[in-house]
Amino acid sequence: EAGVVQSPRYKIIEKKQPVAFWCNPISGHNTLYWYRQNLGQGPELLIRYENEEAVDDSQLPKDRFSAERLKGVDSTLKIQPAELGDSAVYLCASSLDRLGKENEQFFGPGTRLTVL
Amino acid sequence: AQKITQTQPGMFVQEKEAVTLDCTYDTSDPSYGLFWYKQPSSGEMIFLIYQGSYDQQNATEGRYSLNFQKARKSANLVISASQLGDSAMYFCAMSRGSGGYNKLIFGAGTRLAVHP
Repeated sequence: EAGVVQSPRYKIIEKKQPVAFWCNPISGHNTLYWYRQNLGQGPELLIRYENEEAVDDSQLPKDRFSAERLKGVDSTLKIQPAELGDSAVYLCASSLDRLGKENEQFFGPGTRLTVL
Repeated sequence: AQKITQTQPGMFVQEKEAVTLDCTYDTSDPSYGLFWYKQPSSGEMIFLIYQGSYDQQNATEGRYSLNFQKARKSANLVISASQLGDSAMYFCAMSRGSGGYNKLIFGAGTRLAVHP
């Protein structure tokens, strides 16, 4: 079974430029998450989708960040314009809507963004 | 508000020895889940073990066990018979409720180095 796929793996841009990250979750997983991981810290949730609906976007800086999950499968996270402080690893994860041990979130390899 | 604290920035262990990674948490919710993830240098978050707040037994998964002390709000990870491949960052995380559709709150992580 294929895992969570993310692209690109690395991205270097200059500040004020736009950037987009793509995520393909595990087939059948209805819940999708975008996390941001700053250097030396644990991941922090940006947005969570249940199918097509964004059910938790309270941590998403909406002035410059946007996300979409068309058809409840793939998702795209966009930053426009990027700032120096956006340099981080952006992780996508997916999970089933289950209880207990089966609720683990499966993570992709992440996209490492460097803003110059 | 939920919070995860990992007080050990780095740990060293000799190969084949056991090691304990500390995790304390804070929540007012009666129902929650506790997770440990491993993040090797490749960046991917790998699920290791899960403990539900109502689980009576401590969770075990192969060489990993979770020492769950609910009254002390601690969920320490014990790795037995350490291997060189265990060298990585380890993150403790908590979810609200036992459903898989909730966001994870992560600690800052502990870097484990296994020496031959």
